[in-house]
Amino acid sequence: QLVVTQSPSASASLGASVKLTCTLSSGHSTYAIAWHQQQPEKGPRYLMRLNSDGSHSKGDGIPDRFSGSSSGAERYLIISSLQSEDEGDYHCQSWGTDIQVFGGGTKLTVL
Amino acid sequence: QVQLQQWGAGLLKPSETLSLTCAVYGGSFNDYYWNWIRQPPGKGLEWIGEINHSGNTNYNPSLKSRVTISVDTSKNQFSLRLSSLTAADTGVYYCARGRGYDCWGQGTLVTVSS
Repeated sequence: QLVVTQSPSASASLGASVKLTCTLSSGHSTYAIAWHQQQPEKGPRYLMRLNSDGSHSKGDGIPDRFSGSSSGAERYLIISSLQSEDEGDYHCQSWGTDIQVFGGGTKLTVL
Repeated sequence: QVQLQQWGAGLLKPSETLSLTCAVYGGSFNDYYWNWIRQPPGKGLEWIGEINHSGNTNYNPSLKSRVTISVDTSKNQFSLRLSSLTAADTGVYYCARGRGYDCWGQGTLVTVSS
C-alpha cells in the first residue's frame, strides 16, 4: 500500500535554506512524487515533479531557489534564500496505477 | 497556457448530492487524467478520483461508493458527483490536471449544513 509521510512542521530563518522531506512507503522507493506549495488562504500551486533519480521538472515561474533531490525512498524539497512569502504548507503527493496519495503536509514557518 | 475553471453549488444539505464541473482551456485534453481533490477546513489534501478522455476512472477507495466522475470531451469538461453528503464532506474542492497535478482549478468551497 502506497503511503507518503511528511513531518508536520519545519522552520528556518529569513535568507537561510530549508530541506523538507517526503518519505515513500516500503516497496515504493522508485515512485515519482510532486511537491505543491499552499500559501495561507490560497489554493495549492504546483512546484515540481521529482523522480527517483533526482531529476525534476518545475512548474512555470517557479524560482530557481526551489530545487529537489532524491535518496532511496526519500524525496526532498530544498528552498534556498528563504523569503517571507515561502511560508505556508508544502504538500507531497505520489501515485500508482490506480491510486493517488498525499502526505499530511509540512507547515513551513519563516522566522 | 492551460487553465482550469470550476463551478458548482456551494451550500448543500445533508443527504444531498454535490455536483461540480471543471472546464479545461488550452493544452491537450486527451493526454491527461483529470482529477478531483478536496481539503477539509484546517486539514490536508485528499484525492477523490480521476478520469481520462475515454471515461476510464479511478476512485479513492474510501469514497468510491458515493463518487461518480464523468467527462464531456466535446466541451473539454469533467464533472464530480458526490452523494449522501454529511458535514464531513465540507471543504474546498479542487480540480487538477494529470497525476502530478501540474495545474489546479481555483477551488470551490462546499458547505454541508442543515
